[in-house]
Amino acid sequence: EAQVTQNPRYLITVTGKKLTVTCSQNMNHEYMSWYRQDPGLGLRQIYYSMNVEVTDKGDVPEGYKVSRKEKRNFPLILESPSPNQTSLYFCASSLRVQDSPLHFGNGTRLTVT
Amino acid sequence: DQQVKQNSPSLSVQEGRISILNCDYTNSMFDYFLWYKKYPAEGPTFLISISSIKDKNEDGRFTVFLNKSAKHLSLHIVPSQPGDSAVYFCAASGGGSGTYKYIFGTGTRLKVLA
Repeated sequence: EAQVTQNPRYLITVTGKKLTVTCSQNMNHEYMSWYRQDPGLGLRQIYYSMNVEVTDKGDVPEGYKVSRKEKRNFPLILESPSPNQTSLYFCASSLRVQDSPLHFGNGTRLTVT
Repeated sequence: DQQVKQNSPSLSVQEGRISILNCDYTNSMFDYFLWYKKYPAEGPTFLISISSIKDKNEDGRFTVFLNKSAKHLSLHIVPSQPGDSAVYFCAASGGGSGTYKYIFGTGTRLKVLA
């Protein structure tokens, strides 16, 4: 089944403890991206990747890192999480860099205390 | 600065009637527009898209209209069904300057009443 898989679905952590949220797609998509969803703010893009080893900042990149060492994987790294990073995170991928719909994972709900 | 705006946070429609969801954008460089539906505890699901070279795209009960001069797009759902109750996001991409972002609006919660 074609899908975007994120893990974990739920994560509770403490301030400053490094964490990684994994994202994998099995559709050979070129483009991958991370979003966070917050009440009243919609979906805001954190980082995106146009291909292996090519990444760029979205609109809210502060406090996050990403890497794209393989085409299928695009992990989101929080080196030192803070409470303002408590949010619902979505990974997405699309076949092409442009003019191609994004396919989303089911989300990771992160709570930082 | 919100480049993609959905000014109606919520909308209620009677089953069988038309639902019209609206979206405005500010960046004239956007050339590809999309609508997504989102149920609780799930990721957004792609519904329909439109390129800036068109002004209308239809897929079953869903039609998207694009008015480039007004920088406005709308999603029509006809007829509306209770299963359509969800949050709908519009999105735009192609902001120029070599960027490849997809910018989303804040969403409209649609409730279809049986």
